[in-house]
Amino acid sequence: DAGVIQSPRHEVTEMGQEVTLRCKPISGHDYLFWYRQTMMRGLELLIYFNNNVPIDDSGMPEDRFSAKMPNASFSTLKIQPSEPRDSAVYFCAIEPGRHYGYTFGSGTRLTVV
Amino acid sequence: AQSVTQLDSHVSVSEGTPVLLRCNYSSSYSPSLFWYVQHPNKGLQLLLKYTSAATLVKGINGFEAEFKKSETSFHLTKPSAHMSDAAEYFCVVREGGGNKLTFGTGTQLKVEL
Repeated sequence: DAGVIQSPRHEVTEMGQEVTLRCKPISGHDYLFWYRQTMMRGLELLIYFNNNVPIDDSGMPEDRFSAKMPNASFSTLKIQPSEPRDSAVYFCAIEPGRHYGYTFGSGTRLTVV
Repeated sequence: AQSVTQLDSHVSVSEGTPVLLRCNYSSSYSPSLFWYVQHPNKGLQLLLKYTSAATLVKGINGFEAEFKKSETSFHLTKPSAHMSDAAEYFCVVREGGGNKLTFGTGTQLKVEL
């Protein structure tokens, strides 16, 4: 998991609350990706950035989800308001350049009750 | 459009015996292919990748995979399983000109004494 720090590791929140997930790439990268993993749907790409610019957000489930990347060392994924069906593990991943493969963070396990 | 099919959702082997995890892909363009491993409550770790160089790719921990274009396959193998290999394995494809990775549904590998 070297190269990407995600926080928090676990988050439990009540339905309707705002949730912010954080990602800090440590190593150099061109691309940053946000994925969601559930038992039912497996790994789903939510959004990705190239040089801090959002390129494709077609995987974002709905308007309740938003992502930002203000600089090369920080990205956030926000859910507002949260719903129980948002419960999942959210991964941030980076790719230094094409053909390198992704480096994943350890993920944030989100539980919305 | 690209896709990947992992033919077995669960594979069980005895320690010291060979491992075979099967993967078939579909891609309109020359694909890049990857295998990732995910241990419980961990992020995904890159095992190996194929990016149009040698068709037999060697990865970490003794794993290797062979790209067979005629069979559209990229099966993962290891000569001798170890208890520490027990994890979930994901086959992943990216089309030649794209940035998105498409993940398979995963194969859970169980290693028994």
